[in-house]
Amino acid sequence: EAGVAQSPRYKIIEKRQSVAFWCNPISGHATLYWYQQILGQGPKLLIQFQNNGVVDDSQLPKDRFSAERLKGVDSTLKIQPAKLEDSAVYLCASRGPGRRRGEQYFGPGTRLTVT
Amino acid sequence: GESVGLHLPTLSVQEGDNSIINCAYSNSASDYFIWYKQESGKGPQFIIDIRSNMDKRQGQRVTVLLNKTVKHLSLQIAATQPGDSAVYFCAETRNNAGNMLTFGGGTRLMVKP
Repeated sequence: EAGVAQSPRYKIIEKRQSVAFWCNPISGHATLYWYQQILGQGPKLLIQFQNNGVVDDSQLPKDRFSAERLKGVDSTLKIQPAKLEDSAVYLCASRGPGRRRGEQYFGPGTRLTVT
Repeated sequence: GESVGLHLPTLSVQEGDNSIINCAYSNSASDYFIWYKQESGKGPQFIIDIRSNMDKRQGQRVTVLLNKTVKHLSLQIAATQPGDSAVYFCAETRNNAGNMLTFGGGTRLMVKP
């Protein structure tokens, strides 16, 4: 099966600019996650969707980050305005029905550099 | 603070030897643990998991051990190969946290030929 697709792979922006990331999960996977991975650290969950509904966004900095999954398939994560500390890899993951809780499939990520 | 952490940031082993990667957790409510492997430039890849009602689970060349008494788990890789070189993360979740994973900081495994 095709994996989780993400684009772009790399993005460089200046602080205070806006940026958006796109994710296409594995077909049939109802659960979608966005993670932020700062260099040298483990991924940190930002938001979890079940179909097109938000399950948890408690760690999403809502003053600048937003995410949507309007049709329950693709998802976008937006940062506006970006700060230097947002420099990280943004990972999208999905999980299919019947899969074990921890069996998430990750995309390659988008590496964001904020200058 | 994080509820999951790792003892060593880097582990170097000889090809063919066994590797042991350790992880400590602090929340006694954690009931499910997972190991992920992340190669350079890629997203994490699920390796193996274990529920808190077990103390050992085996996969292909990998074994996870869980010691709830001291809140410690380990990942053992048998006959380590160059392809095992990566960063390994442990993660945990709890029943009252849904399926949300909390990752530790990672251990880099380097395999010497």
